[in-house]
Amino acid sequence: GQQLNQSPQSMFIQEGEDVSMNCTSSSIFNTWLWYKQDPGEGPVLLIALYKAGELTSNGRLTAQFGTTRKDSFLNISASIPSDVGIYFCAGAAPADRGSTLGRLYFGRGTQLTVWP
Amino acid sequence: DSGVTQTPKHLITATGQRVTLRCSPRSGDLSVYWYQQSLDQGLQFLIHYYNGEERAKGNILERFSAQQFPDLHSELNLSSLELGDSALYFCASSVDTGNNEQFFGPGTRLTVL
Repeated sequence: GQQLNQSPQSMFIQEGEDVSMNCTSSSIFNTWLWYKQDPGEGPVLLIALYKAGELTSNGRLTAQFGTTRKDSFLNISASIPSDVGIYFCAGAAPADRGSTLGRLYFGRGTQLTVWP
Repeated sequence: DSGVTQTPKHLITATGQRVTLRCSPRSGDLSVYWYQQSLDQGLQFLIHYYNGEERAKGNILERFSAQQFPDLHSELNLSSLELGDSALYFCASSVDTGNNEQFFGPGTRLTVL
């Protein structure tokens, strides 16, 4: 199955700093999604990307769908304490005789800590 | 609040037992997905139902089964539980199979003792 490599595994930054994280895949995806998970909660969808090269923003968050379709990037500008959490990338592969239709493959997450 | 509900929030049981996890998708969503989250495996896809029919299976154990009912709620049944089944189980829903924006519920934390 597809492997997603997400980096960095963790980040410790000061409030106000910008953050960058990325995700690479061993194969092509037709959708990239970024989620945030707080402790004890379910992942919350932040941004969805559907086209290679697409750049999409959601407030201070900006994500890009890599041109090779095998990677994606998430940037957080001017971080604040409530940005703390685990950020996951997720990808959806092109349907393969229906066997992978709809499923998401997840990276292992980036744990973000923001110091005030 | 994603609009996806899951019950129970926590479940503690013993090895060998059987449990049922319940999920109600967002209003209007026809697809339901089940995922397992553990420390060593991360978030892993288990199974996908669309409008009552099974559409895709991931690495779901034979001891696990699921179904989606006519009112679109779904249940995940876990039987002959083992210690290694302890994990967070999430349900997600989306409008249909062509839309990959999946919205997750709050999860059920299963502890097998």
